[in-house]
Amino acid sequence: AQSVTQLGSHVSVSEGALVLLRCNYSSSVPPYLFWYVQYPNQGLQLLLKYTTGATLVKGINGFEAEFKKSETSFHLTKPSAHMSDAAEYFCAVSPEGTGFQKLVFGTGTRLLVSP
Amino acid sequence: DGGITQSPKYLFRKEGQNVTLSCEQNLNHDAMYWYRQDPGQGLRLIYYSQIVNDFQKGDIAEGYSVSREKKESFPLTVTSAQKNPTAFYLCASSRAPGSPLHFGNGTRLTVT
Repeated sequence: AQSVTQLGSHVSVSEGALVLLRCNYSSSVPPYLFWYVQYPNQGLQLLLKYTTGATLVKGINGFEAEFKKSETSFHLTKPSAHMSDAAEYFCAVSPEGTGFQKLVFGTGTRLLVSP
Repeated sequence: DGGITQSPKYLFRKEGQNVTLSCEQNLNHDAMYWYRQDPGQGLRLIYYSQIVNDFQKGDIAEGYSVSREKKESFPLTVTSAQKNPTAFYLCASSRAPGSPLHFGNGTRLTVT
């Protein structure tokens, strides 16, 4: 069964600093990988996804993530944090090629951005 | 604009009462999902449906029921058998296998 581990329930950065949110997964087959963002009292919004092809994936709001099969990781980065990036971020995994899939979510990382 | 509508945004019920949460989508998506979100636990799947008149239990289905009579609608009933129903409930849909989920803005249920 697949699982997702997000290291750090909270990450604090200063405005303008690098953002790094970690995600490791376990899956018996090549997975599809996703990052979602959630603002308070709202649903989740897709940031980016990896299915096949280029392992460096660019998403919305300047975020990107790199799929590293050897490390079973899909860490999310942004070169320069903005106050509006403060939110909760979820990594999710879905095994490829097995029909409609139930995404498995990590427990989330809350990003705090200070001025 | 297409999207998913969940209503109401906030819901309060007394213990022992059943309550139904609404989820409607106009994205023409085949698959729909219900997730429960609790602080520090991420999202856990309650039920999902791949097509009309068919649905499957997720990881935490006990105490919940669903129906899928129309493609656009996937209501969730929280029954009195659910031991700890207070939570944030999210409905989602997806177009095809492996496609990203589209989420509604959630319903926060408080049972006292």
